[in-house]
Amino acid sequence: AQKITQTQPGMFVQEKEAVTLDCTYDTSDQSYGLFWYKQPSSGEMIFLIYQGSYDEQNATEGRYSLNFQKARKSANLVISASQLGDSAMYFCAMREANQAGTALIFGKGTTLSVSS
Amino acid sequence: ETGVTQTPRHLVMGMTNKKSLKCEQHLGHNAMYWYKQSAKKPLELMFVYSLEERVENNSVPSRFSPECPNSSHLFLHLHTLQPEDSALYLCASSQDSAVNYGYTFGSGTRLTVV
Repeated sequence: AQKITQTQPGMFVQEKEAVTLDCTYDTSDQSYGLFWYKQPSSGEMIFLIYQGSYDEQNATEGRYSLNFQKARKSANLVISASQLGDSAMYFCAMREANQAGTALIFGKGTTLSVSS
Repeated sequence: ETGVTQTPRHLVMGMTNKKSLKCEQHLGHNAMYWYKQSAKKPLELMFVYSLEERVENNSVPSRFSPECPNSSHLFLHLHTLQPEDSALYLCASSQDSAVNYGYTFGSGTRLTVV
């Protein structure tokens, strides 16, 4: 079974609009971390935002916020006021406490295209 | 500049060649990782090094051989590769193996096997 599921292969949004990128996860651990990364066409992976499983409030970082619904095991990324530079691939990832080396597990990603 | 530097950025090699990918981090992190990113696939974890000891090897073919001589450097030695090994190879580092530490990635090496 997939640990991280991103069901939207591609999303399209106009500048200045908000967009939500979906992510659901599967774990039996109580302690885990959820991350979102952005990958522009140049290839580097850029960290955007982090949510801990014990955090009661949704994480926010500038225009990025994470809609964390623990019971539903979802961690959607919300980008407000989209910009052309937001066009990129976005990956949801999870780190579990009990996994050897606790390496990040990634979803397949969502390609976001922002138009003017 | 993320603090994790990968060289070379691009590499084209024949199936009989031997080459090495290099990763260097200047962040004082104690764990380093190799990932493979093929088109239309999720990032695949290849190797994990924590405190210079290899922790995990996700059944990677032996034609890929990692080396971690110290906590700042990580290599991926390549030999007798196949065309399906063409991909973006990403190196990352983290401060710790705890769940709240994310990774810092390098810009990747785009490998083409001909």
